[in-house]
Amino acid sequence: GQNIDQPTEMTATEGAIVQINCTYQTSGFNGLFWYQQHAGEAPTFLSYNVLDGLEEKGRFSSFLSRSKGYSYLLLKELQMKDSASYLCASYNFNKFYFGSGTKLNVKP
Amino acid sequence: NAGVTQTPKFQVLKTGQSMTLQCAQDMNHEYMSWYRQDPGMGLRLIHYSVGAGITDQGEVPNGYNVSRSTTEDFPLRLLSAAPSQTSVYFCASSPRGRHQPQHFGDGTRLSIL
Repeated sequence: GQNIDQPTEMTATEGAIVQINCTYQTSGFNGLFWYQQHAGEAPTFLSYNVLDGLEEKGRFSSFLSRSKGYSYLLLKELQMKDSASYLCASYNFNKFYFGSGTKLNVKP
Repeated sequence: NAGVTQTPKFQVLKTGQSMTLQCAQDMNHEYMSWYRQDPGMGLRLIHYSVGAGITDQGEVPNGYNVSRSTTEDFPLRLLSAAPSQTSVYFCASSPRGRHQPQHFGDGTRLSIL
């Protein structure tokens, strides 16, 4: 399988900025996706990168470096509702490979 | 909008029983896939399909079968349930193409006793 690595858990304060990193295998790579998953719910799509650089969608941004096999998700102006798991997924050889997810705890 | 519909939402089986998890989508998506999610292990791909009549194995296919006779439906069959198959199962679909995000069903929570 493909090794997708991301931190297990992070804690941040309401109103702050947090960056969640993800590394993936570059062989057959064709896209990097970020999903949000609240406890007991299904994952929902947040952001997508296929080319190097930054993609911005409101409070969420995602960055990709294809040569380094590296991506990050940036969450700005954190809100309590952002407490969730964030899943990094790479698309390689026609298959999606997910990391174990980063559980983000937002504190008041 | 129904999106991706999974049934049942919850199921308890005894070891050795067989069952089928249903997945249907009404978005005319070509790509469909099945995942299992276990604590601390993220989503692992079981089987996937790029269109009707075409299926392929993912990372953890053993003990599971799939078929894709129509674009809309992608059932997952457990042949002989084992306690190791206790998990949350998610079905997902997307338009075919590498740039397309997946849409997930609400999941089936399966316990094998």
